[in-house]
Amino acid sequence: IAGITQAPTSQILAAGRRMTLRCTQDMRHNAMYWYRQDLGLGLRLIHYSNTAGTTGKGEVPDGYSVSRANTDDFPLTLASAVPSQTSVYFCASSEDTNQPQHFGDGTRLSIL
Amino acid sequence: GQNIDQPTEMTATEGAIVQINCTYQTSGFNGLFWYQQHAGEAPTFLSYNVLDGLEEKGRFSSFLSRSKGYSYLLLKELQMKDSASYLCAVMDSNYQLIWGAGTKLIIKP
Repeated sequence: IAGITQAPTSQILAAGRRMTLRCTQDMRHNAMYWYRQDLGLGLRLIHYSNTAGTTGKGEVPDGYSVSRANTDDFPLTLASAVPSQTSVYFCASSEDTNQPQHFGDGTRLSIL
Repeated sequence: GQNIDQPTEMTATEGAIVQINCTYQTSGFNGLFWYQQHAGEAPTFLSYNVLDGLEEKGRFSSFLSRSKGYSYLLLKELQMKDSASYLCAVMDSNYQLIWGAGTKLIIKP
């Protein structure tokens, strides 16, 4: 079934550790996004990629990095995790930047 | 700054109609999206409005007034499975989505 796959589903991580959240889509979508969702707040954009080989910063990029080496994969890395990065992380993709975004099932991350 | 406002929570009765409002102030406008999100799940796309007026899709309709910075999502013949959060999002001049915090809709029998 075509869609977006995120891994892991959930993770508990010690503060200071490095962590990469994986995101893969098989819809050949050009654009991909990483959001975090916290209680009482709207989804907030961390980083995005309009096409393979390019990335950009969203609203809350500090402490996170991304890469887009090919169309399908868009990993998000926390270089040194802090407790304020505890959140649910969603990866999304869209055919182009002005098209509806489709979401993965999310990664629930807890930093202790 | 950019801002999306929608009610935090609404309650409605099974079989009834409910209207969820969304007002926005953004830098530029390239469309307004509504998403549904059940608890613990991913958001799923419901509707897209870029021109003024009403878009109907089955039991769900979405309305847009760009001059008023206003949209609503109308849900008819409510079913228990419609209990979810409904997210309003506006695409700004940079083609990035600005999201509201969501409206939690509770359906009672």
